[in-house]
Amino acid sequence: AQKVTQAQTEISVVEKEDVTLDCVYETRDTTYYLFWYKQPPSGELVFLIRRNSFDEQNEISGRYSWNFQKSTSSFNFTITASQVVDSAVYFCALSEESTGRRALTFGSGTRLQVQP
Amino acid sequence: GAVVSQHPSWVICKSGTSVKIECRSLDFQATTMFWYRQFPKQSLMLMATSNEGSKATYEQGVEKDKFLINHASLTLSTLTVTSAHPEDSSFYICSALTGSNQPQHFGDGTRLSIL
Repeated sequence: AQKVTQAQTEISVVEKEDVTLDCVYETRDTTYYLFWYKQPPSGELVFLIRRNSFDEQNEISGRYSWNFQKSTSSFNFTITASQVVDSAVYFCALSEESTGRRALTFGSGTRLQVQP
Repeated sequence: GAVVSQHPSWVICKSGTSVKIECRSLDFQATTMFWYRQFPKQSLMLMATSNEGSKATYEQGVEKDKFLINHASLTLSTLTVTSAHPEDSSFYICSALTGSNQPQHFGDGTRLSIL
């Protein structure tokens, strides 16, 4: 069965620090997608990235970067020069394609607090 | 981009009443919609998968008679919490698939409080 683990429950940093959110996943499927979502206090889910299991290239988008390593089943998310507006709960998620289970399996989330 | 509208965004009602939540795909047809539930400070858990024109598939432990899902058209799925009780208070969020190989698009969620 699929599983997503976000071991860091809560992280607190000071503005301008870099921070990495860890995500480890388990799946028997060979074709899957990995996601990161941001959930601010208002509750909506903000899509950040989707990564196909066959694409291990790291990605950078502004202050955000993602490191996908199939060898360790990890898909970590780094925020560079964090800002107060980055404060939110971040979820890593997985969907399996081969099994047809398109629903997302979410990790437990990491609450990030960026202090001014 | 694809937009999913969820309504209402917030509802408070008395114990024993039924509450209907709508999830609409505004600019695309969604053959599949998902309903998730999130208790305070917890993760999102899949409740059911809703396919247009067929019965929803419920996850283990989710009471299908309590959480009625209807997906009558390609742009609308509804979740009705029947005879709601305080333990049903939660954040309910839907998502919709535009098609295979496409990401899900989430609604903004419904915060349900049962007094």
